[in-house]
Amino acid sequence: GAGVSQSPRYKVAKRGQDVALRCDPISGHVSLFWYQQALGQGPEFLTYFQNEAQLDKSGLPSDRFFAERPEGSVSTLKIQRTQQEDSAVYLCASSLTSGGAYEQYFGPGTRLTVT
Amino acid sequence: EDKVVQSPLSLVVHEGDTVTLNCSYEVTNFRSLLWYKQEKKAPTFLFMLTSSGIEKKSGRLSSILDKKELFSILNITATQTGDSAVYLCAGYGGATNKLIFGTGTLLAVQP
Repeated sequence: GAGVSQSPRYKVAKRGQDVALRCDPISGHVSLFWYQQALGQGPEFLTYFQNEAQLDKSGLPSDRFFAERPEGSVSTLKIQRTQQEDSAVYLCASSLTSGGAYEQYFGPGTRLTVT
Repeated sequence: EDKVVQSPLSLVVHEGDTVTLNCSYEVTNFRSLLWYKQEKKAPTFLFMLTSSGIEKKSGRLSSILDKKELFSILNITATQTGDSAVYLCAGYGGATNKLIFGTGTLLAVQP
């Protein structure tokens, strides 16, 4: 079956521009996560959805970052007034269940470069 | 604060060698430890470990968890050039639903 997909795969934005990153999770997966991965680092948690509810947004670095999953499937991560420090790969992951020990499946990521 | 530490940071071996990658963790309400392989794209799932002392094996890869020492290892035997990648370790705790990742071990297998 289809895995997690993300678009665009690459995005170049000028400093100050707004960007929107899309994630299509595996069909039927309840949980959806966004991670930020800087070069040479492991992914760092941004936010978590269970269906359409955003249960944890503790990892969002500033109020310029906003995520939504209005119908409990596709999710969008929006970054307003991008800064150079926002340059990173943004990974989306989904999981079949919520809570307990479970596997997260990752999409290919969106590489954001802010110039 | 929850953290996961991996060692070594990087490793260069020759084909046929056996390697051991290390992961130590401090995760609140720990439930499981996961290993992923990342080759310039999405991390791909390798193993999830929840119980101490039970080895999980997939082909030339194996992993084991020690919940007393808060430690896991990933072994790769008879390494091949296709094993070259970053190997990520992540802890999952019941206090939150997020994975706490280490910085990864960069493995380079030379022919």
